[in-house]
Amino acid sequence: QKEVEQDPGPLSVPEGAIVSLNCTYSNSAFQYFMWYRQYSRKGPELLMYTYSSGNKEDGRFTAQVDKSSKYISLFIRDSQPSDSATYLCAMRNTGRRALTFGSGTRLQVQP
Amino acid sequence: NAGVTQTPKFRVLKTGQSMTLLCAQDMNHEYMYWYRQDPGMGLRLIHYSVGEGTTAKGEVPDGYNVSRLKKQNFLLGLESAAPSQTSVYFCASSRPPGQGTMNTEAFFGQGTRLTVV
Repeated sequence: QKEVEQDPGPLSVPEGAIVSLNCTYSNSAFQYFMWYRQYSRKGPELLMYTYSSGNKEDGRFTAQVDKSSKYISLFIRDSQPSDSATYLCAMRNTGRRALTFGSGTRLQVQP
Repeated sequence: NAGVTQTPKFRVLKTGQSMTLLCAQDMNHEYMYWYRQDPGMGLRLIHYSVGEGTTAKGEVPDGYNVSRLKKQNFLLGLESAAPSQTSVYFCASSRPPGQGTMNTEAFFGQGTRLTVV
């Protein structure tokens, strides 16, 4: 079983929809949780960052971490065609910089 | 522009050939990493370095070697390429742990697409 599980999609939504992306994990030592966005044929770019449990909001994006359930989410409000990309969850332990990634969810926002 | 630069961007190798992928960063980061990305597998860590002259194995190190002779460069070598090494390779860099803000997490290059035939 993978340490981090992520539904690969693809997920197709109409413009303006609310998108929910999720990951589950098994390692209780993970403390730092991230979402990376990756456009086609590009490198991943860091989108959201959360330490431990709680919510983080940045514009149309909200990241949630529930450590008791080992479950993290990314919500995108008012989705735009420019949000079409693969979204990768990533996480790590305290003191360790290397990340463990989910397999990524491909999102397509239809105009 | 500051960032992580990977060379080359594309390469086709024949089985058994060797090659070196170069990663250069200009952000003065201590830590550097090599990941590979395969369909349905996400990014998997090959090797990493916590400073000049140091290297360590990651999750999938077999068939690869690395060197970090200069702080800004991290080289990934394939001594005898195999079709299983067909992948997209990403280099990343970051600051050390203990400086936990968003701006200190891994910053990725644009990738090298390698095909081994």
